[in-house]
Amino acid sequence: EPEVTQTPSHQVTQMGQEVILRCVPISNHLYFYWYRQILGQKVEFLVSFYNNEISEKSEIFDDQFSVERPDGSNFTLKIRSTKLEDSAMYFCASSARQEETQYFGPGTRLLVL
Amino acid sequence: QKEVEQNSGPLSVPEGAIASLNCTYSDRGSQSFFWYRQYSGKSPELIMSIYSNGDKEDGRFTAQLNKASQYVSLLIRDSQPSDSATYLCAVNFYGGATNKLIFGTGTLLAVQP
Repeated sequence: EPEVTQTPSHQVTQMGQEVILRCVPISNHLYFYWYRQILGQKVEFLVSFYNNEISEKSEIFDDQFSVERPDGSNFTLKIRSTKLEDSAMYFCASSARQEETQYFGPGTRLLVL
Repeated sequence: QKEVEQNSGPLSVPEGAIASLNCTYSDRGSQSFFWYRQYSGKSPELIMSIYSNGDKEDGRFTAQLNKASQYVSLLIRDSQPSDSATYLCAVNFYGGATNKLIFGTGTLLAVQP
Protein backbone atom coordinates (compact mmCIF):
# COMPACT_ATOMS: atom_id res chain seq x y z
CA GLU A 1 0.00 0.00 0.00
CA PRO A 2 1.40 3.43 -0.95
CA GLU A 3 2.67 5.50 1.95
CA VAL A 4 4.28 8.81 2.73
CA THR A 5 7.94 8.52 3.67
CA GLN A 6 10.11 11.00 5.55
CA THR A 7 13.82 11.38 6.18
CA PRO A 8 15.60 11.62 8.48
CA SER A 9 13.65 10.02 11.31
CA HIS A 10 15.64 12.01 13.86
CA GLN A 11 17.67 15.21 13.51
CA VAL A 12 19.72 16.94 16.18
CA THR A 13 21.03 20.40 15.37
CA GLN A 14 22.51 23.44 17.03
CA MET A 15 20.50 26.62 17.41
CA GLY A 16 20.97 28.87 14.40
CA GLN A 17 21.74 26.04 11.99
CA GLU A 18 19.72 25.26 8.88
CA VAL A 19 17.84 21.99 8.58
CA ILE A 20 16.05 20.39 5.66
CA LEU A 21 13.38 17.80 6.29
CA ARG A 22 12.49 15.58 3.38
CA CYS A 23 9.28 13.87 2.38
CA VAL A 24 8.14 11.68 -0.47
CA PRO A 25 4.35 11.99 -0.76
CA ILE A 26 2.11 9.28 -2.19
CA SER A 27 2.80 9.26 -5.91
CA ASN A 28 -0.60 10.22 -7.37
CA HIS A 29 -1.39 12.82 -4.71
CA LEU A 30 -1.56 16.49 -5.62
CA TYR A 31 -1.81 18.24 -2.24
CA PHE A 32 1.04 18.31 0.22
CA TYR A 33 1.24 19.53 3.80
CA TRP A 34 3.55 20.00 6.73
CA TYR A 35 2.35 19.79 10.34
CA ARG A 36 4.25 19.83 13.57
CA GLN A 37 3.60 18.49 17.04
CA ILE A 38 5.48 19.82 20.05
CA LEU A 39 5.82 17.15 22.71
CA GLY A 40 2.59 16.79 24.65
CA GLN A 41 0.69 19.25 22.43
CA LYS A 42 -1.73 19.04 19.55
CA VAL A 43 -0.85 18.56 15.90
CA GLU A 44 -0.57 22.01 14.29
CA PHE A 45 -0.87 22.97 10.62
CA LEU A 46 2.15 24.70 9.11
CA VAL A 47 1.64 24.92 5.36
CA SER A 48 -0.25 23.47 2.42
CA PHE A 49 1.17 23.23 -1.11
CA TYR A 50 -0.52 22.65 -4.45
CA ASN A 51 0.44 23.15 -8.07
CA ASN A 52 3.96 24.14 -7.10
CA GLU A 53 3.00 26.93 -4.79
CA ILE A 54 1.95 27.53 -1.20
CA SER A 55 -1.84 27.48 -0.80
CA GLU A 56 -1.93 28.54 2.81
CA LYS A 57 0.45 28.97 5.71
CA SER A 58 -0.10 29.40 9.41
CA GLU A 59 1.28 32.13 11.63
CA ILE A 60 3.93 29.64 12.76
CA PHE A 61 5.28 29.47 9.20
CA ASP A 62 7.33 32.66 9.28
CA ASP A 63 10.23 33.81 7.08
CA GLN A 64 12.51 31.19 8.61
CA PHE A 65 10.48 28.43 6.98
CA SER A 66 10.27 27.50 3.33
CA VAL A 67 8.97 24.59 1.29
CA GLU A 68 9.97 23.27 -2.07
CA ARG A 69 9.14 20.50 -4.47
CA PRO A 70 12.51 20.22 -6.19
CA ASP A 71 11.55 17.30 -8.44
CA GLY A 72 8.58 15.11 -9.20
CA SER A 73 8.73 13.14 -5.98
CA ASN A 74 10.30 15.05 -3.08
CA PHE A 75 8.73 17.73 -0.90
CA THR A 76 11.02 19.53 1.54
CA LEU A 77 10.68 21.80 4.55
CA LYS A 78 13.63 24.06 5.29
CA ILE A 79 14.17 25.92 8.53
CA ARG A 80 16.83 28.54 7.89
CA SER A 81 17.99 29.38 11.39
CA THR A 82 16.62 26.98 13.96
CA LYS A 83 15.45 28.08 17.40
CA LEU A 84 15.03 26.05 20.56
CA GLU A 85 11.26 26.28 20.18
CA ASP A 86 11.43 24.58 16.77
CA SER A 87 12.06 21.30 18.59
CA ALA A 88 9.10 19.13 17.65
CA MET A 89 7.93 16.23 15.55
CA TYR A 90 7.39 17.33 11.96
CA PHE A 91 4.87 15.41 9.87
CA CYS A 92 4.47 15.53 6.12
CA ALA A 93 1.07 14.59 4.69
CA SER A 94 -0.47 14.28 1.26
CA SER A 95 -3.93 13.93 -0.21
CA ALA A 96 -5.35 13.23 -3.65
CA ARG A 97 -7.92 16.02 -3.40
CA GLN A 98 -8.56 18.91 -1.04
CA GLU A 99 -11.47 17.30 0.77
CA GLU A 100 -10.05 13.82 0.98
CA THR A 101 -8.02 12.05 3.62
CA GLN A 102 -4.57 13.37 4.38
CA TYR A 103 -2.12 10.53 4.88
CA PHE A 104 0.72 11.20 7.25
CA GLY A 105 4.35 10.14 7.07
CA PRO A 106 6.15 8.69 10.10
CA GLY A 107 7.58 12.06 11.06
CA THR A 108 10.97 13.61 11.73
CA ARG A 109 11.83 14.29 15.33
CA LEU A 110 13.83 17.54 15.40
CA LEU A 111 15.80 18.50 18.47
CA VAL A 112 17.42 21.94 18.58
CA LEU A 113 20.14 22.36 21.20
CA GLN B 1 -10.42 31.19 15.31
CA LYS B 2 -11.35 27.68 14.25
CA GLU B 3 -11.38 25.29 17.18
CA VAL B 4 -11.78 21.57 17.65
CA GLU B 5 -12.49 20.43 21.20
CA GLN B 6 -12.00 17.00 22.72
CA ASN B 7 -11.95 15.70 26.26
CA SER B 8 -8.31 14.82 26.89
CA GLY B 9 -9.19 11.85 29.10
CA PRO B 10 -7.90 9.39 29.96
CA LEU B 11 -10.94 7.37 29.07
CA SER B 12 -10.62 3.96 30.67
CA VAL B 13 -12.79 1.07 29.50
CA PRO B 14 -12.61 -2.68 30.16
CA GLU B 15 -11.71 -5.04 27.35
CA GLY B 16 -14.77 -5.90 25.27
CA ALA B 17 -16.67 -2.74 26.19
CA ILE B 18 -17.74 0.11 23.93
CA ALA B 19 -15.54 3.21 23.97
CA SER B 20 -17.24 6.49 23.06
CA LEU B 21 -15.12 9.43 21.96
CA ASN B 22 -16.56 12.88 21.31
CA CYS B 23 -15.52 16.02 19.48
CA THR B 24 -17.06 19.43 18.84
CA TYR B 25 -15.95 22.03 16.32
CA SER B 26 -16.54 25.74 16.06
CA ASP B 27 -16.84 26.51 12.36
CA ARG B 28 -20.08 25.64 10.57
CA GLY B 29 -18.18 25.81 7.29
CA SER B 30 -16.27 22.64 8.17
CA GLN B 31 -16.68 20.12 5.42
CA SER B 32 -14.96 16.85 6.19
CA PHE B 33 -14.15 15.10 9.42
CA PHE B 34 -11.59 12.52 10.39
CA TRP B 35 -10.62 10.34 13.30
CA TYR B 36 -6.95 9.46 13.56
CA ARG B 37 -5.27 7.16 16.04
CA GLN B 38 -1.85 8.12 17.38
CA TYR B 39 0.37 5.82 19.39
CA SER B 40 2.97 7.50 21.56
CA GLY B 41 5.83 8.84 19.45
CA LYS B 42 4.16 7.83 16.17
CA SER B 43 2.31 9.65 13.42
CA PRO B 44 -1.47 9.99 13.09
CA GLU B 45 -3.06 6.98 11.41
CA LEU B 46 -6.47 7.28 9.78
CA ILE B 47 -9.30 5.37 11.44
CA MET B 48 -12.39 6.87 9.81
CA SER B 49 -13.49 9.71 7.59
CA ILE B 50 -17.02 11.08 7.47
CA TYR B 51 -18.46 13.73 5.20
CA SER B 52 -22.24 13.76 5.69
CA ASN B 53 -24.66 13.65 8.60
CA GLY B 54 -25.40 10.28 10.13
CA ASP B 55 -23.47 7.16 10.95
CA LYS B 56 -20.65 5.44 9.10
CA GLU B 57 -19.52 1.99 10.15
CA ASP B 58 -16.25 0.22 9.41
CA GLY B 59 -15.68 -2.99 11.31
CA ARG B 60 -15.62 -2.25 15.04
CA PHE B 61 -15.64 1.50 14.44
CA THR B 62 -18.63 3.79 13.92
CA ALA B 63 -18.31 7.50 13.25
CA GLN B 64 -21.30 9.78 13.82
CA LEU B 65 -21.67 13.30 12.46
CA ASN B 66 -24.24 15.93 13.39
CA LYS B 67 -23.49 19.16 11.55
CA ALA B 68 -26.39 21.04 13.16
CA SER B 69 -24.88 20.39 16.60
CA GLN B 70 -21.31 20.67 15.26
CA TYR B 71 -20.52 17.34 16.83
CA VAL B 72 -18.69 14.24 15.67
CA SER B 73 -18.12 11.06 17.62
CA LEU B 74 -16.35 7.71 17.33
CA LEU B 75 -17.60 4.48 18.85
CA ILE B 76 -15.25 1.53 19.24
CA ARG B 77 -17.03 -1.75 19.86
CA ASP B 78 -15.40 -4.76 21.53
CA SER B 79 -12.48 -2.62 22.67
CA GLN B 80 -9.10 -4.36 22.72
CA PRO B 81 -5.94 -3.49 24.67
CA SER B 82 -4.33 -2.74 21.29
CA ASP B 83 -6.86 0.08 20.85
CA SER B 84 -5.14 1.94 23.69
CA ALA B 85 -3.87 5.14 22.06
CA THR B 86 -4.68 8.80 21.65
CA TYR B 87 -7.59 9.44 19.29
CA LEU B 88 -7.40 12.67 17.36
CA CYS B 89 -10.43 14.39 15.90
CA ALA B 90 -9.55 16.47 12.83
CA VAL B 91 -11.69 18.84 10.82
CA ASN B 92 -10.87 19.87 7.28
CA PHE B 93 -11.32 23.49 6.33
CA TYR B 94 -10.91 23.90 2.61
CA GLY B 95 -12.09 26.06 -0.23
CA GLY B 96 -10.27 28.51 -2.42
CA ALA B 97 -6.80 28.96 -1.02
CA THR B 98 -7.68 27.36 2.30
CA ASN B 99 -6.91 23.70 2.83
CA LYS B 100 -5.86 22.40 6.23
CA LEU B 101 -6.72 20.04 9.03
CA ILE B 102 -7.44 21.47 12.45
CA PHE B 103 -6.82 18.92 15.18
CA GLY B 104 -8.21 18.56 18.65
CA THR B 105 -5.90 17.82 21.55
CA GLY B 106 -6.84 14.14 21.40
CA THR B 107 -8.48 11.75 23.85
CA LEU B 108 -6.27 9.16 25.51
CA LEU B 109 -8.04 5.79 25.55
CA ALA B 110 -6.89 3.05 27.92
CA VAL B 111 -8.44 -0.40 27.44
CA GLN B 112 -7.98 -2.50 30.54
CA PRO B 113 -7.42 -6.26 29.98
